[in-house]
Amino acid sequence: DTAVSQTPKYLVTQMGNDKSIKCEQNLGHDTMYWYKQDSKKFLKIMFSYNNKELIINETVPNRFSPKSPDKAHLNLHINSLELGDSAVYFCASSPRERGGGDEQFFGPGTRLTVL
Amino acid sequence: AQTVTQSQPEMSVQEAETVTLSCTYDTSESDYYLFWYKQPPSRQMILVIRQEAYKQQNATENRFSVNFQKAAKSFSLKISDSQLGDAAMYFCAYRRSNNNDMRFGAGTRLTVKP
Repeated sequence: DTAVSQTPKYLVTQMGNDKSIKCEQNLGHDTMYWYKQDSKKFLKIMFSYNNKELIINETVPNRFSPKSPDKAHLNLHINSLELGDSAVYFCASSPRERGGGDEQFFGPGTRLTVL
Repeated sequence: AQTVTQSQPEMSVQEAETVTLSCTYDTSESDYYLFWYKQPPSRQMILVIRQEAYKQQNATENRFSVNFQKAAKSFSLKISDSQLGDAAMYFCAYRRSNNNDMRFGAGTRLTVKP
């Protein structure tokens, strides 16, 4: 049983295209996240949602738009893709909002390559 | 702003030996949590161990233990009896107690030699 799943696992696309990455968690968690891991393996938070509401919105270009149709899903839509968007994107979830000690459960990642 | 520093980009250890990975962090908070996550070649991020800042006792999980020095803002990970399956990127992370925002260090790539 996959706790946090992401689709697709690999995404290759041309500059300028629009693409989406889907994330679903079956853990009943209230909080979900998107992280970006660059080519140097640096992992940085992009967004955090709690029960469908945006909690954290780091300095991310507005070409990136998260959407949470329900608390089990947090999708990431990216408009007008650029070369610098190439990275691995991780979805994660944790049980509670402001649960500082809670473990974050990560999805398998989506490797996005922009040509 | 809270920052997490891992000063060792790469480390290697002989199988069955012990290795220590370093992590320091900067914060003005007194209540927070620290984590070590492992990322093997499969890319999956896996929690290795966590430490509550208000606890003086160092956390341990089987072969993994930490040396938490709150005054020095240091949080190192010790892996005993290293196994080939321990080879991975290891990330140190910090989070305030009432916050969702987790900050990661740049990672340390651990190689285990047979």
